[in-house]
Amino acid sequence: DAGVIQSPRHEVTEMGQEVTLRCKPISGHNSLFWYRQTMMRGLELLIYFNNNVPIDDSGMPEDRFSAKMPNASFSTLKIQPSEPRDSAVYFCASSLNRALVGYTFGSGTRLTVV
Amino acid sequence: QQQVKQSPQSLIVQKGGISIINCAYENTAFDYFPWYQQFPGKGPALLIAIRPDVSEKKEGRFTISFNKSAKQFSLHIMDSQPGDSATYFCAASSGANNLFFGTGTRLTVIP
Repeated sequence: DAGVIQSPRHEVTEMGQEVTLRCKPISGHNSLFWYRQTMMRGLELLIYFNNNVPIDDSGMPEDRFSAKMPNASFSTLKIQPSEPRDSAVYFCASSLNRALVGYTFGSGTRLTVV
Repeated sequence: QQQVKQSPQSLIVQKGGISIINCAYENTAFDYFPWYQQFPGKGPALLIAIRPDVSEKKEGRFTISFNKSAKQFSLHIMDSQPGDSATYFCAASSGANNLFFGTGTRLTVIP
């Protein structure tokens, strides 16, 4: 199993540009989570999906952030327009039946907005 | 509001020593307490987990101690090695609900 696959690994973009982060969860997992990690705030849950349906997006910081999961094997997190304060490492994680058996995290996307 | 409070923020231990990281929670409905280990440039990885029906769980050099009445749990790393240097996160959840993570502890093991 290749694990949770995220792309790109690194993204540098200019303020105001649109950024799209991608995630492929582990096959068979029915829950998917997007987290943001910064030194100041630690790991923050942005949104999670269960069976491809967004369940809770209360962690999404602003309307500039949006996430989709068109099928069980793919999810995107989009920031439009991006701002310097969005600079962080964004992690995708998947699990079977949410927390019952733990989450598997991807390697993350390091986003830098200049 | 932080659902799970973790301390210390950073920890430096000599090789061979014992590393101890503590977490506390308030929600008595929590019934699953995992610890995650994160190396630089990697995502957090599940290290060890415990449920409240036991007071201790050991896997190799890693032990979780759980105190249900005090609503605290801790990770002990015995015979700490430089390769254990990483950031450790505790977490908690109830039922099939989402995990709440602590703020992390950066462990450095000095050779």
